[in-house]
Amino acid sequence: NAGVTQTPKFQVLKTGQSMTLQCAQDMNHNSMYWYRQDPGMGLRLIYYSASEGTTDKGEVPNGYNVSRLNKREFSLRLESAAPSQTSVYFCASSSETQYFGPGTRLLVL
Amino acid sequence: TQLLEQSPQFLSIQEGENLTVYCNSSSVFSSLQWYRQEPGEGPVLLVTVVTGGEVKKLKRLTFQFGDARKDSSLHITAAQPGDTGLYLCAGRNDYKLSFGAGTTVTVRA
Repeated sequence: NAGVTQTPKFQVLKTGQSMTLQCAQDMNHNSMYWYRQDPGMGLRLIYYSASEGTTDKGEVPNGYNVSRLNKREFSLRLESAAPSQTSVYFCASSSETQYFGPGTRLLVL
Repeated sequence: TQLLEQSPQFLSIQEGENLTVYCNSSSVFSSLQWYRQEPGEGPVLLVTVVTGGEVKKLKRLTFQFGDARKDSSLHITAAQPGDTGLYLCAGRNDYKLSFGAGTTVTVRA
């Protein structure tokens, strides 16, 4: 039982490049979330998916897209990365309690 | 603007001392959660408080939810170096959590 897994762990991009962050959970949770964490800002919700087939914007969705591929997987895509998107990205899934993955550290140059 | 304000932002104490972290908001939440996060990892849930005025104890940690369900506190008695970490409060409404910016606690041996 791996919980929430995220890939990659680290990534360096140049401005304008695209990439997809992958997230999978094996706890049969309906809800999944993407957050970014920046110093002094806590975790801010980018997008969430309350159930398979639905996605909704969170607090900071601009510059991101998501796909709820199936119940297990929820991916986050940056179409044209910007330095302001340098951050640590966390995926989470929940029934009542949110369980977080280990994070993806992204640097955009 | 953070929906939840945590104070202090940083706290450094000697082993054996007590500490309190505060989490305040002008919004009412259906529940409030406290997480601890260690470097390089995702947040891990410590406790959920649901009822106004509720007090929960987890070994040396005491959590309190305000009567109006807008604020909370975390008190650690006789802190140990293993308590070192980033403590985050999060207010829950519907599917979503709103996080405070966090309090970095350092316990010196």
